Amino acid sequence: NAGVMQNPRHLVRRRGQEARLRCSPMKGHSHVYWYRQLPEEGLKFMVYLQKENIIDESGMPKERFSAEFPKEGPSILRIQQVVRGDSAAYFCASSAFGSNTEAFFGQGTRLTVV
Amino acid sequence: EDKVVQSPLSLVVHEGDTVTLNCSYEVTNFRSLLWYKQEKKAPTFLFMLTSSGIEKKSGRLSSILDKKELFSILNITATQTGDSAVYLCAVEDGNKLVFGAGTILRVKS
Repeated sequence: NAGVMQNPRHLVRRRGQEARLRCSPMKGHSHVYWYRQLPEEGLKFMVYLQKENIIDESGMPKERFSAEFPKEGPSILRIQQVVRGDSAAYFCASSAFGSNTEAFFGQGTRLTVV
Repeated sequence: EDKVVQSPLSLVVHEGDTVTLNCSYEVTNFRSLLWYKQEKKAPTFLFMLTSSGIEKKSGRLSSILDKKELFSILNITATQTGDSAVYLCAVEDGNKLVFGAGTILRVKS
């Protein structure tokens, strides 16, 4: 049973480009959480999704950021027109029953905007 | 605004020492407090605490929660170099976890 898989592990984008981060939850998990970790800061909640639904996006910036979790395939966090301040580690966690205390984290994607 | 504050920010000890990491919190809708260990990759779960005064133990690690004073401590006894990591405290608040900035622990041999 593979863990939560995130790819790519490292992503470099120039300012103004788009970044797409993928998260494949653990088998049998239908709940996904995205967190962002800025340098020397804790993880900050961004969005909570269940298959085909956004449950809570209270932590998502209002512009340029979007997330989806389609019926088939991984969850995608999309950042349009990236800026240097988007450079961070983005972690995804998944759970089976919507309990974030029982969620397992992926290895993260480290985004660097140059 | 919900916040979780961890102290110290960083700590350097020698193998065999005992360390105590602190976590205080202010959240609107507290449900539980969690501790994670992060070693340059995915945070790995250590403990979940929901009730005051009940110590949870796992080997050399233990943790306790005080819901009246709104804090928790994580103790590590007889530290080893493999304990070097960032220790994260998080509080469950509704649909999300609110994390502290972490304590960087370095254990020297």
